[in-house]
Amino acid sequence: GAVVSQHPSRVICKSGTSVKIECRSLDFQATTMFWYRQFPKQSLMLMATSNEGSKATYEQGVEKDKFLINHASLTLSTLTVTSAHPEDSSFYICSAEWGSQPQHFGDGTRLSIL
Amino acid sequence: LAKTTQPISMDSYEGQEVNITCSHNNIATNDYITWYQQFPSQGPRFIIQGYKTKVTNEVASLFIPADRKSSTLSLPRVSLSDTAVYYCLVGPAGAAGNKLTFGGGTRVLVKP
Repeated sequence: GAVVSQHPSRVICKSGTSVKIECRSLDFQATTMFWYRQFPKQSLMLMATSNEGSKATYEQGVEKDKFLINHASLTLSTLTVTSAHPEDSSFYICSAEWGSQPQHFGDGTRLSIL
Repeated sequence: LAKTTQPISMDSYEGQEVNITCSHNNIATNDYITWYQQFPSQGPRFIIQGYKTKVTNEVASLFIPADRKSSTLSLPRVSLSDTAVYYCLVGPAGAAGNKLTFGGGTRVLVKP
């Protein structure tokens, strides 16, 4: 089946640090990639939609200058949390889709800001 | 995007069949129904997708009545490892940038 790889799986860093998370589609070319955030015991919340070579579309309430998304190729999208603070601590998950296939998700990145 | 309603939680025992019903009263003509499973600290895993009637794969069955206003995910003979949160989503399949809206999901606990 389709595989989406996310790296790193866990990050612990100091407040003020910028953190980059990578999302790769390993065996297919993703037309669109999505970034979600999930707080404990809650559902996934869509942050942004990313298409290769174009600017990401952010959901209402998501700061685009805070969460920088780069989709440089059909197999790679990155999310950079800039100047992270403790309230940015969360579980970040990416997904990718192509053609008529359902979205496939990465295994998430646990971000902890001290 | 069609809104979905699922039970918050459900308990079962090993070897039993688990049926989770999802309501989606305002499903659109071009919407598909997709179910995902999520374990703690992991991304959602695709289980099954359907449009109408019944779909079956190696892990589950999906029953969709003619009016498509609801759907039921059936997990046969569950084991402890099926303890997870199950999400029902509706939306057009294959549309570029098809955003998925996750509802609260159903937390299934399988007991020994």
